[in-house]
This record gives sequence, structure tokens and C-alpha cells, in this order.
Amino acid sequence: DVKVTQSSRYLVKRTGEKVFLECVQDMDHENMFWYRQDPGLGLRLIYFSYDVKMKEKGDIPEGYSVSREKKERFSLILESASTNQTSMYLCASRPHQPQETQYFGPGTRLLVL
Amino acid sequence: DAKTTQPPSMDCAEGRAANLPCNHSTISGNEYVYWYRQIHSQGPQYIIHGLKNNETNEMASLIITEDRKSSTLILPHATLRDTAVYYCIVPTKGSYQLTFGKGTKLSVIP
Repeated sequence: DVKVTQSSRYLVKRTGEKVFLECVQDMDHENMFWYRQDPGLGLRLIYFSYDVKMKEKGDIPEGYSVSREKKERFSLILESASTNQTSMYLCASRPHQPQETQYFGPGTRLLVL
Repeated sequence: DAKTTQPPSMDCAEGRAANLPCNHSTISGNEYVYWYRQIHSQGPQYIIHGLKNNETNEMASLIITEDRKSSTLILPHATLRDTAVYYCIVPTKGSYQLTFGKGTKLSVIP
């Protein structure tokens, strides 16, 4: 069974804080993704990585950065958290093509005060 | 991703089969149909995918029409734990991204 874990289920931070969200997958997948999910807006891709140290911007990268130093770990960084970054953050992983199935973690619900 | 159309909501009696339809009339010949579900406050869960043949796994069955323009996800004996939003997705070949639409909110009723 594929397992994708995220460091926290719930997180409360203050405006201006630096926030780290960690994601780990145990299936040796090359591709990893960070999404955010907001009511009425669905899932939106923030960043993805197709290999160690490689990253690509998704649809909404502003205000975020990522780090992939090891294959199994993909970190999302909010350099200076703002209230509009309050959201559910979802990590996913996927092996290389042609397989397109993405496996998601349980999500981190972040509240920025 | 190819556009998909699903009903916004459906009800199903516990123990009965839940049949969730999806239209994907613009699907290309080599694009797969994927189904995910999301139970409240959890991450999306992969259910099943298929290209043209019907597929079955321990969770569900997927029936794809011969012209591939629509498909139906079947949960053979729905339980209360199957209450969730179900998403039908046709990823663009070669794209890394999955686009989740609004899905179908399935309510399983005791």
C-alpha cells in the first residue's frame, strides 16, 4: 500500500511566521505535488517536483517555495504566512509516466491568524 | 484535462449499489478515466481507473461505454462510510496535473 504522510493534521500560525509543511512518501515515487483546497475552488496545484532538487511551479506558486533534497520528502514553505494562506494543504506522489495515479496524504489544515 | 460532467449530488440506500455517472465526451483515444473520492476533511483517495475495458477492484467497478464518452462508477454494496464526494477525472496525457472538478456528493442513507 502506498503511504503518503504529512507532518501535521492541524496547524495554527501567526501572520508573518515562516511555516514548513513536510510530506513523506514510502513508494519511491519520482513525482511529488503540493495542492491547496479551498471551498468552491477545488484543488489547486502550488508546486510539483519530478526529481530530487527539481521543481516546477503550478497554478498558484506565489507566496510559497518548496524543497526536495531527498526523493521521499517534499517540503512546502510559506516564507511569511498571511491570512489568505489559511487552507487545507494536500501532498501527493506519483510514479513516472505512463502511470498517472496520484496518491494523496491526509492533508494539513492550516489556520493563519 | 478533458472536461468531465457529473451530477452534483446523489443519494443511495445503505446496502444497495451506488451508480455514479460521468460524461467525458471530449476524451482522447489514449486518455484514461480516473475516479477518486474525498471523505470530509481527508485527502482524496484513489479508487480505480480505466481506458476502454471495464475494470473491477476491491473497492468498485468502472464501466466505460464503447464510444468512451461516458463512464459509471459502481459501488456494489454502499455503506455509510462511502459517503463522500466522488470525482471523475480525465488527465491530459503527458500532464503532471490532476484537475478536480466539483464532483458528485454521494450520501449513503441508513
